[in-house]
Amino acid sequence: QVQLVQSGSELQKPGASVKVSCKTSGYTFSRYPLTWVRRAPGQDLEWLGWINTNTGNPTYAQGLTGRFVLSLDTSVSTAYLQISGLKAEDTAVYYCARAPFGENYLDYWGQGTLVTVSS
Amino acid sequence: QSALTQPASVSGSPGQSITISCTGTRSDIGGYKYVSWYQQHPGKAPKLMIYDVSNRPSGVSNRFSGSKSGNTASLTISGLQADDEADYYCSSYTSSSTLVFGGGTKVTVL
Repeated sequence: QVQLVQSGSELQKPGASVKVSCKTSGYTFSRYPLTWVRRAPGQDLEWLGWINTNTGNPTYAQGLTGRFVLSLDTSVSTAYLQISGLKAEDTAVYYCARAPFGENYLDYWGQGTLVTVSS
Repeated sequence: QSALTQPASVSGSPGQSITISCTGTRSDIGGYKYVSWYQQHPGKAPKLMIYDVSNRPSGVSNRFSGSKSGNTASLTISGLQADDEADYYCSSYTSSSTLVFGGGTKVTVL
């Protein structure tokens, strides 16, 4: 069955970096783009961007700074979200989710990774 | 402020029907037939319940139905069951080629 399993919770200091992984299984990795979404405390779900798992080309939400980088390791069917220069406002639960190609919905989600930024 | 506006909570008794609204603009809900709904139980991953306004993925009960009128989409749960108690989020494709989400609605089964 389709599974997206994310890495565990992270506690990082301001200015540090974090890399969240999303390991997929149960389907052909390259056929489904992966989207990243986050929910900060008290905030709505926020779409961060998506990565084409066939070409590796990422697309980021407008206004998202260069601190966010999406990447892949196709050899292990895993996607990554790296955030550098962490700020307190990056504290959130980060989700990866699969999107059928050309579609505008997310059919399978990871369990979420809590990233806490605190000194 | 939410990009899409949902009521904070909706409740109903077992067997009843409830409807959750999701209001956007003509740049998202009103402009496209790409509204989706997600169910999330505490501590669990969100689950797709409705896509493209009114389509149900395989395995989702036909007690869940979706619709849209103008800038407002709706999710109706009929024959409410205890396991339906969860948070529900709407989402829409936007004119900026992104997805936007609602603030979520907590459904309580009385």
